[in-house]
Amino acid sequence: GAVVSQHPSWVICKSGTSVKIECRSLDFQATTMFWYRQFPKQSLMLMATSNEGSKATYEQGVEKDKFLINHASLTLSTLTVTSAHPEDSSFYICSASMPSGGAVTDTQYFGPGTRLTVL
Amino acid sequence: DQQVKQNSPSLSVQEGRISILNCDYTNSMFDYFLWYKKYPAEGPTFLISISSIKDKNEDGRFTVFLNKSAKHLSLHIVPSQPGDSAVYFCAASAKGGSEKLVFGKGTKLTVNP
Repeated sequence: GAVVSQHPSWVICKSGTSVKIECRSLDFQATTMFWYRQFPKQSLMLMATSNEGSKATYEQGVEKDKFLINHASLTLSTLTVTSAHPEDSSFYICSASMPSGGAVTDTQYFGPGTRLTVL
Repeated sequence: DQQVKQNSPSLSVQEGRISILNCDYTNSMFDYFLWYKKYPAEGPTFLISISSIKDKNEDGRFTVFLNKSAKHLSLHIVPSQPGDSAVYFCAASAKGGSEKLVFGKGTKLTVNP
């Protein structure tokens, strides 16, 4: 159980175009979804936190107009990279938080990630 | 300012031996710690966690030790298996885990047959 999928797994696009990445929790309803970015040999950096039906909370330094997050349902969140540039090339990973039913914390389950390359 | 540090970028261990991965943190507000395992081009997989009210948590071959005074935690894998070869990330959170996760840079573990 607790499977999170991402689509697409990799995408190549031209500079200036927009790219949408989907994140789905397949067998549970996620209270919260998170979007991370990972550069080579670096740690995962949290970009934003989104709760279903409300605006995403962005981390400092992340442009909300460039990285649009829509959390339409308890099982789907999308990240749209608008007007992508080569410096946006990275590995984007989502996670979904599974309600723990009173335990200390809601465990995050991660998707397989999306490799974005902007030419 | 890196709040979670994994100072060893890589570790090589013989099959059957113990693997010890280390993690240090600087933020005294962190009270919940997790270890994730990650294969190339895949998302991290949750391994084991520990709350600051404990100093040890065990799950099969995996044991996490927490030394709050030293702000240090470690993951022990015994016995190590070739399938354990992956990058291991340490992560920390505050307020019982309800705050965002802060990740270290990871340690690449190679278990040699």
